[in-house]
Amino acid sequence: AQSVTQPDIHITVSEGASLELRCNYSYGATPYLFWYVQSPGQGLQLLLKYFSGDTLVQGIKGFEAEFKRSQSSFNLRKPSVHWCDAAEFLCAVCPLSNDYKLSFGAGTTVTVRA
Amino acid sequence: DAGVTQSPTHLIKTRGQHVTLRCSPISGHKSVSWYQQVLGQGPQFIFQYYEKEERGRGNFPDRFSARQFPNYSSELNVNALLLGDSALYLCASSLSTGSRAGELFFGEGSRLTVL
Repeated sequence: AQSVTQPDIHITVSEGASLELRCNYSYGATPYLFWYVQSPGQGLQLLLKYFSGDTLVQGIKGFEAEFKRSQSSFNLRKPSVHWCDAAEFLCAVCPLSNDYKLSFGAGTTVTVRA
Repeated sequence: DAGVTQSPTHLIKTRGQHVTLRCSPISGHKSVSWYQQVLGQGPQFIFQYYEKEERGRGNFPDRFSARQFPNYSSELNVNALLLGDSALYLCASSLSTGSRAGELFFGEGSRLTVL
């Protein structure tokens, strides 16, 4: 079955430490890949996307993600987190066969401690 | 420029009632999508409309319906509300549909509570 998995429900990280959020997908062909961030009182905001080409993608707010075809993964990273990075992070895929909709993972909540 | 706006932001209904949620896309965007986000889960696709026509529909019962108006705004209607319909309903707009569909701009959502 087609699916998007974010194995970590909740991650706590110290301010200034690095962050990596995992995302795995199960689709027949490589879908389009996205990371969104959701903060209280704000809508989902697109951090970055991968359609093709360079497998290391740079996004906004200092985030980057790496696509690994062999592992069916699209993990999100940030070298040094700030307190304002605390939010819900959602991985999403857009299958080529149904390219009008996004399928989201369940999300990872990130808490940043001082 | 205004982003995607949704109304109402919060509402409470009782089982069996009907609800209408409204969405205004970003100016120039012709595509509107609706998603349902139940607490603790990622958003689930409900509908996409492009140029006033339904482009796609997710796995939701016929109690859910939507339409898009000539000015590209949209309404989501849910009839015979169930407790399980309690969720955050997100509207998203995009310039077009198809392979660029993932470049969505989301509103803040309408929080529906069904008692």
